[in-house]
Amino acid sequence: LAKTTQPISMDSYEGQEVNITCSHNNIATNDYITWYQQFPSQGPRFIIQGYKTKVTNEVASLFIPADRKSSTLSLPRVSLSDTAVYYCLVGELASGYSTLTFGKGTMLLVSP
Amino acid sequence: DTGVSQNPRHKITKRGQNVTFRCDPISEHNRLYWYRQTLGQGPEFLTYFQNEAQLEKSRLLSDRFSAERPKGSFSTLEIQRTEQGDSAMYLCASSQGTAYGYTFGSGTRLTVV
Repeated sequence: LAKTTQPISMDSYEGQEVNITCSHNNIATNDYITWYQQFPSQGPRFIIQGYKTKVTNEVASLFIPADRKSSTLSLPRVSLSDTAVYYCLVGELASGYSTLTFGKGTMLLVSP
Repeated sequence: DTGVSQNPRHKITKRGQNVTFRCDPISEHNRLYWYRQTLGQGPEFLTYFQNEAQLEKSRLLSDRFSAERPKGSFSTLEIQRTEQGDSAMYLCASSQGTAYGYTFGSGTRLTVV
């Protein structure tokens, strides 16, 4: 599985847009990019997944450049409740895709 | 269906004792995963079931760990002769085939004293 690199922590204020970038230089052709969010004492929660270009849902947007060697999770107008750890994962979404490998994630702290 | 359910939420045990955790996945999900998470780290993969078959086990899963998923429904994770290093959050997740994302439970926090 491709290794990912993310910032250890980020700080923001309520109402701002937050962009968390993940590097995955060794991403394979069949790999998808998935982001999870985790609050203390809870399991990770799926946020968004994409393969290329841009994906948007009600929670976030995911931007993936043409070379797919990085991706950016964009959280619009964050609130205090967005304070959490965000994980970027890369894996093959196919019959052989069985497990997710988490790194240490990015701790996002949103302040008033 | 309210999601993935794990019991107990917390478990404190003495070193050397055996413990068993239970996970009830989302009913239509055929895949079930166990992860372990220690403070400040991301979840680490332990093992994975597709229906009742255990298809993959991590090297982290020592001989003291065993997992079952009888009839492809709920799963149990047993740790024998617990050690202080087993203290962690044990997370269960389920998915339907290769569908988008896993659904995680809230975990069982194990403290070995």
